[in-house]
Amino acid sequence: SYVLTQPPSVSVAPGQTARITCGGNNIGSKSVHWYQQKPGQAPVLVVYDDSDRPSGIPERFSGSNSGNTATLTISRVEAGDEADYYCQVWDSSSDHPNVVFGGGTKLTVL
Amino acid sequence: EVQLVESGGGLVQPGRSLRLSCAASGFTFDDYAMHWVRQAPGKGLEWVSGISWNSGSIGYADSVKGRFTISRDNAKNSLYLQMNSLRAEDTALYYCAKAEFSSGFRFDYWGQGTLVTVSS
Repeated sequence: SYVLTQPPSVSVAPGQTARITCGGNNIGSKSVHWYQQKPGQAPVLVVYDDSDRPSGIPERFSGSNSGNTATLTISRVEAGDEADYYCQVWDSSSDHPNVVFGGGTKLTVL
Repeated sequence: EVQLVESGGGLVQPGRSLRLSCAASGFTFDDYAMHWVRQAPGKGLEWVSGISWNSGSIGYADSVKGRFTISRDNAKNSLYLQMNSLRAEDTALYYCAKAEFSSGFRFDYWGQGTLVTVSS
């Protein structure tokens, strides 16, 4: 089965840029989606199809995907961005297509 | 406004059954695939199951295949998850999610979840 690998944690100072990676075999050939989850809340889609933003998501959130790594970039990080972030793909390569999530990355704003 | 409201969770003994429901509103329910995603306490997100708009295509995670059954009633704008032979490792918050499909599924709306605890 397809595996997505994320760093457990990323720390960044306010105003700086946070980059959260998501590794997978030839992930560049798949569409990657990113979710933000704050404590006690449901996940929220922040980036879809590698680099598109749903309405209402700030332009500070952006994404890229190439080769074996997809990246969520959060510019001008704010205290309110502190959350867990998950990448997700649709794996249609197996006999039984399924949804795959990365293990999640906790973003800490210092 | 899209709303997804899960119900049916609770404390259940190992080996017993539970049926979760998700009531949807604010969108044309039978236009969209729907999925269940769970999150064990302190852990990450795990996809459980998904169903197409007309129930013609259904998928399950290997961890629940043969024990869980997803279904939907478009007339009632409702999604269901029948969970049989429950195990301690099924303990989690279960989310209902509305799916969008372009080159793959993504989840643009989520409910607040219903907690399932499997314990004797």
